[in-house]
Amino acid sequence: EDKVVQSPLSLVVHEGDTVTLNCSYEVTNFRSLLWYKQEKKAPTFLFMLTSSGIEKKSGRLSSILDKKELFSILNITATQTGDSAIYLCAAPNSNYQLIWGAGTKLIIKP
Amino acid sequence: DAGVIQSPRHEVTEMGQEVTLRCKPISGHNSLFWYRQTMMRGLELLIYFNNNVPIDDSGMPEDRFSAKMPNASFSTLKIQPSEPRDSAVYFCASSSPRENNEQFFGPGTRLTVL
Repeated sequence: EDKVVQSPLSLVVHEGDTVTLNCSYEVTNFRSLLWYKQEKKAPTFLFMLTSSGIEKKSGRLSSILDKKELFSILNITATQTGDSAIYLCAAPNSNYQLIWGAGTKLIIKP
Repeated sequence: DAGVIQSPRHEVTEMGQEVTLRCKPISGHNSLFWYRQTMMRGLELLIYFNNNVPIDDSGMPEDRFSAKMPNASFSTLKIQPSEPRDSAVYFCASSSPRENNEQFFGPGTRLTVL
């Protein structure tokens, strides 16, 4: 059965800290892994990863994929209160259906 | 492009009433997804369509839920009769292979069943 597992489920840190969110997957015919940020509304797209070892960066956020060990990490450096959100990872299965992780709830305290 | 459009944005109804949620996908996208999100269960895929055909409805919780996509630009999710445990935010998303199958989400419909 295809599955995506995220850890931790929740995380509370202080502003300025660096956080690492984990996502492991078991998906048939794996093609890509996606990261989303969800605040009070719909998820917004962060990254799509298809190749191992190639880091994608957007400001203070970065992500990398390890296709051998079947996981991805999302790093956020110098966290700000605006980074507080639920971070979701997902991978499309062979039917293009997105298999979602449960999400990591990140809380940044001032 | 206006993005994925959902209506209504909020609905409050009484138990037993029929609820119809509407979605207009992004023009040119050939896949459409209905999701439900609650605090307890997170984000769940209910059903998805490819080229207007339902591909996988295994996530639909019960027979009270039904979804249709009569054409490429419109889909409905109907709950009849509604129950308080159906209260959730319902998201519609659409995607296209030309955009790496990235799913673009609508703003969601917040449903409250009293």
